[in-house]
Amino acid sequence: SQKIEQNSEALNIQEGKTATLTCNYTNYSPAYLQWYRQDPGRGPVFLLLIRENEKEKRKERLKVTFDTTLKQSLFHITASQPADSATYLCALDVRGGKLIFGQGTELSVKP
Amino acid sequence: NAGVTQTPKFQVLKTGQSMTLQCAQDMNHNSMYWYRQDPGMGLRLIYYSASEGTTDKGEVPNGYNVSRLNKREFSLRLESAAPSQTSVYFCAVRGGGAQETQYFGPGTRLLVL
Repeated sequence: SQKIEQNSEALNIQEGKTATLTCNYTNYSPAYLQWYRQDPGRGPVFLLLIRENEKEKRKERLKVTFDTTLKQSLFHITASQPADSATYLCALDVRGGKLIFGQGTELSVKP
Repeated sequence: NAGVTQTPKFQVLKTGQSMTLQCAQDMNHNSMYWYRQDPGMGLRLIYYSASEGTTDKGEVPNGYNVSRLNKREFSLRLESAAPSQTSVYFCAVRGGGAQETQYFGPGTRLLVL
């Protein structure tokens, strides 16, 4: 069955640095991969989508890469701010509009 | 536009009780989903509905039933609640056409004693 894993531990970084989160998957070839942000007590919010034929996608301070050979996506937040502190989820499409989510990585940005 | 709404926000049940979680959307999209989220487990799909009148099982459907009442509403029913169903439940709606983004509701926190 499909398996998706994110950084297992929380990530703590200093304000202004670049945060890099990892998402690895096995046993599947997704057509696209998505990243979501989740704040405590709230539902996930969509951030970025990257397709299998795209190597990189950017949106403001966010950058996502997708390596289908390594079966890995990296999510970068440049010039991080305390307001970026949240849990970040990656999700793979498994056809039919369904997604499989990773367990999430908690990011803490210290001033 | 409220987007995706869920009721109730929080519920405590005793083992064996039943309840229905409600989800409604004003986005006019076809596909709707129910997930549960447990610590360390991520979001897991319970049931989904690709369009009005159709429903299909997801990864963890046991102990749940769903009803797609119309295009706007998708409800999740627990017929006989168990402590293992203590979780946070999220409803989501998928954008139409080539839009694969899912839009989530605020969640229902359920505690089964």
